[in-house]
Amino acid sequence: AQKITQTQPGMFVQEKEAVTLDCTYDTSDPSYGLFWYKQPSSGEMIFLIYQGSYDQQNATEGRYSLNFQKARKSANLVISASQLGDSAMYFCAMKGDRDDKIIFGKGTRLHILP
Amino acid sequence: NAGVTQTPKFRVLKTGQSMTLLCAQDMNHEYMYWYRQDPGMGLRLIHYSVGEGTTAKGEVPDGYNVSRLKKQNFLLGLESAAPSQTSVYFCASSLQEYNQPQHFGDGTRLSIL
Repeated sequence: AQKITQTQPGMFVQEKEAVTLDCTYDTSDPSYGLFWYKQPSSGEMIFLIYQGSYDQQNATEGRYSLNFQKARKSANLVISASQLGDSAMYFCAMKGDRDDKIIFGKGTRLHILP
Repeated sequence: NAGVTQTPKFRVLKTGQSMTLLCAQDMNHEYMYWYRQDPGMGLRLIHYSVGEGTTAKGEVPDGYNVSRLKKQNFLLGLESAAPSQTSVYFCASSLQEYNQPQHFGDGTRLSIL
């Protein structure tokens, strides 16, 4: 069975510092995709970044990057130079090529301190 | 471009009442999903559909029914609402391929008294 684990229920980070949000996964599918979503206090789900299991390089999107370590089955989100607007809930998710479902972790609530 | 639209945005029901949540997408996506979000539980999949006329159970299907009569619409029904179904409900859609992200609606906040 597929599983996503986010071990940090909450984090407090000083503004302008970099932050790493942890995500580990488990799957038996040979190919899979890993996603990160942001949910601000307004409630909408915002897609941030994607990493494919066979991608040679770690994904980057602006201040977001994904530290993908396949052997360790981890896909940590790194936010550089954090901003107050980064305060939100962050979800890691995964979809395998043999599964129709996308599964989500329980999320990490990030608080950026001024 | 509307994307994924959920109707209604808020609703209060009494125990035992029934209602239907509507999800509509205009991106021609094959896959559609219904999730519920509760504090500390993340997003839990209720039901999903991989195409018009097909539905499948997710992680927490009990007490809910769904229908996908048209490709662009996915309906979630509560036949006899219970307080345990108080939650925020999200609809999402995606293309079939595993490397495609889901697109979410803005959510429906449902309270059962």
